[in-house]
Amino acid sequence: DVKVTQSSRYLVKRTGEKVFLECVQDMDHENMFWYRQDPGLGLRLIYFSYDVKMKEKGDIPEGYSVSREKKERFSLILESASTNQTSMYLCASKVTGRLGYTFGSGTRLTVV
Amino acid sequence: QKEVEQNSGPLSVPEGAIASLNCTYSDRVSQSFFWYRQYSGKSPELIMSIYSNGDKEDGRFTAQLNKASQYVSLLIRDSQPSDSATYLCAVNNDYKLSFGAGTTVTVRA
Repeated sequence: DVKVTQSSRYLVKRTGEKVFLECVQDMDHENMFWYRQDPGLGLRLIYFSYDVKMKEKGDIPEGYSVSREKKERFSLILESASTNQTSMYLCASKVTGRLGYTFGSGTRLTVV
Repeated sequence: QKEVEQNSGPLSVPEGAIASLNCTYSDRVSQSFFWYRQYSGKSPELIMSIYSNGDKEDGRFTAQLNKASQYVSLLIRDSQPSDSATYLCAVNNDYKLSFGAGTTVTVRA
């Protein structure tokens, strides 16, 4: 079974802090994704990566950046955390082709 | 128009009944379709995938796909309280999946 591991289950950060959310997958998947999920808004794609050092903006990239230095690891960076970035953050990975995602367990981030 | 739309819910069904969830999508070239189940506070888990027109059954779940009409549905037979969750429809779109907003199902005992 593919495992996607997110480093933190819950995080509380202060406004203006730089925040790193880490995601690691163990099945050599080419594609990795970061979503946020908010009540009533569903899953919204922030960034994705289809190869090492490659990144593509999703639907809501503002205020975020990403890093993919190794195939197994995809990091989401909040450059200067704001209260409107309080959310559940979900990492996912998939092989290229028609199979679905495997999600990590999620990180609930609260910015105070 | 949203890429993937689901019936809004919430859907309340008695235990033992059939729960029927519907999803339509806008991109005619989509080839892969998925249903995820998400319990409150948890991440989505894949429960069904379907690639060809027709029905696909897995235990109490049946996925139905009609590419000509651009809809995919999920039937949950003999609904159990443990089926109470939000169900997300997802459609493959190049490298990534597009998700519907989800339908919340409550199975009442």
